[in-house]
This record gives sequence, structure tokens and C-alpha cells, in this order.
Amino acid sequence: DAGITQSPRYKITETGRQVTLMCHQTWSHSYMFWYRQDLGHGLRLIYYSAAADITDKGEVPDGYVVSRSKTENFPLTLESATRSQTSVYFCASSPPGDQPQHFGDGTRLSIL
Amino acid sequence: KQEVTQIPAALSVPEGENLVLNCSFTDSAIYNLQWFRQDPGKGLTSLLLIQSSQREQTSGRLNASLDKSSGRSTLYIAASQPGDSATYLCAVSNSGYSTLTFGKGTMLLVSP
Repeated sequence: DAGITQSPRYKITETGRQVTLMCHQTWSHSYMFWYRQDLGHGLRLIYYSAAADITDKGEVPDGYVVSRSKTENFPLTLESATRSQTSVYFCASSPPGDQPQHFGDGTRLSIL
Repeated sequence: KQEVTQIPAALSVPEGENLVLNCSFTDSAIYNLQWFRQDPGKGLTSLLLIQSSQREQTSGRLNASLDKSSGRSTLYIAASQPGDSATYLCAVSNSGYSTLTFGKGTMLLVSP
């Protein structure tokens, strides 16, 4: 089925561990995005990518790393997880131009 | 820095009422404004996208307006139904890369 898939849906880990959240889309959209959603802050942009091998920082990039070797995949890595990174993470994609973003169902990440 | 505010934060209405959700933004140099719906534990679903040159968009019982000069948008929901219960998010794009700045949302409850 066409769409955008995030994995895992739920993850519990410990501080200091490396964690990678996966995002896969089947539309071949050129733009992809990572957001985090927190009570009191709403959704905030972490990183985005305009095409394969092109990424840029958003509002809250510290502590995160992204890569995009293939158009359809946009993994997000927490290199050394901290409790402040406990959040719900959403991946989204869109074609270029004035087009709506399509969101995955999110990954709920808890860091103990 | 763009800031997006949504009022009210929560709204409870009986079924059948017409209602208006408000969104304001501080930087009027936007590419577009988008309205999303988020159900509990789910990702965001795009409802309407208004380009900066447009004044309104309609989809079924939903109508969104945009007044770029005053930095305001409204989402009008006609004849509300219990299935409309969700959180509604407003987001603006100031970037040619389609990155979005979100408001914190309005949580809507429509009672039968």
C-alpha cells in the first residue's frame, strides 16, 4: 500500500544509548521531514530533506542526526539519547511546491 | 521567528452546531497555510491548504479562510458531528522547502 510508514511505533531505551527511528514512503516525494510533538510545545521541526543526499536543520536539531541515501527513506538517529528527547516523533513527506504534507502514525519514544 | 497561535485551546459543542477555529501568525510572508486534523495516537491528516495568493478553500463541510495581511486564518466547520472530534492544527510555511511552523492546536469535542 502506498503511504508513509514509521518504525518502531513504540520504543523504550536508556539514556546514553543510540536509537534510530525509521521512515519509509512509497510516493517518491522529494521532501521529507522529521518533527517532534511535546505537550506545551506542539510540533517542532527537527530536520528536513529536499532530496536524496540533501538535508538541513530545523528548529530543534541538537542531539539528532539524519541521512537520506535513498529518496524513500529518511532515518533519524539519536546518537546518545537523553531524557529530554522523550517525545512522539513524526515523519512527513510532500512533493515540492504548495502541496500538503503527509504524516506517518508516529513513534512514541521513552528514554529512561 | 514565525509564531503561530490557535484559539481556543479547547472547544466543546453539541452536535449540529457550526463552529469557527482561529489561527494567527506573526510573519505574513508565508507560502501557504495548512489545516490538519489529529486523532488520538495518530498522525496528522491534511484537511485544507491555502496558497498565499488565495483567500479561502473549501472541502465538504470545511471552509478555511486566509487574511495574510492581518496574519489570520479561520477554519469553519458546518453542522458539526461527533466524528469531527479531534485536535485541529494550523501550520504555516515560510520556506520554499515547505517546512512548517505549527500552532499548538484546538481540541474539539462534539457531543451527540
